[in-house]
Amino acid sequence: EPEVTQTPSHQVTQMGQEVILRCVPISNHLYFYWYRQILGQKVEFLVSFYNNEISEKSEIFDDQFSVERPDGSNFTLKIRSTKLEDSAMYFCASNERRNTEAFFGQGTRLTVV
Amino acid sequence: KNEVEQSPQNLTAQEGEFITINCSYSVGISALHWLQQHPGGGIVSLFMLSSGKKKHGRLIATINIQEKHSSLHITASHPRDSAVYICAVARPGTASKLTFGTGTRLQVTL
Repeated sequence: EPEVTQTPSHQVTQMGQEVILRCVPISNHLYFYWYRQILGQKVEFLVSFYNNEISEKSEIFDDQFSVERPDGSNFTLKIRSTKLEDSAMYFCASNERRNTEAFFGQGTRLTVV
Repeated sequence: KNEVEQSPQNLTAQEGEFITINCSYSVGISALHWLQQHPGGGIVSLFMLSSGKKKHGRLIATINIQEKHSSLHITASHPRDSAVYICAVARPGTASKLTFGTGTRLQVTL
């Protein structure tokens, strides 16, 4: 069964460092998303990506965040200068089309120390 | 006020019990998703529905668009059903981004 793959599963980084979280969505999917879940809280939308550009972003997704689909298969989330409050589980998701089932990766647990 | 509310927040049941988790939303939607989050954190899609009822194995999901309410039922619950169940909605014209409820933590005991 096709799946969304995220790497790494866990990353520890020092405050102020840059991190790149990687995702390989399902190959025929067209819509891609990043969500995050701070420990003990609900999942929050960060950004959606379609047709090689951001289609929507939340107020959380400020200038320290960026997304890229560099090679047609990977979909990355870069956090430029990490803060303690960026510690969370980050989920990548993809849909084949609008309003179809969402497929989630297993998440990357980011710990900023 | 959250756009998506779930109840109960926590639920403990004995094996074999019939379980109902409720979701209410306050916005117009194009679809509602029920998701399962395992203790390790991974999220799995259970259902996506925009009307009526869907069934998969022991799981049944219903939605009432007029009342802005959905329910997830688990028949003959089993300890392996223990997880967090999350309701999330997609709003029209939003490229299907999801707005999540806070989840219902289900524990099924022997």
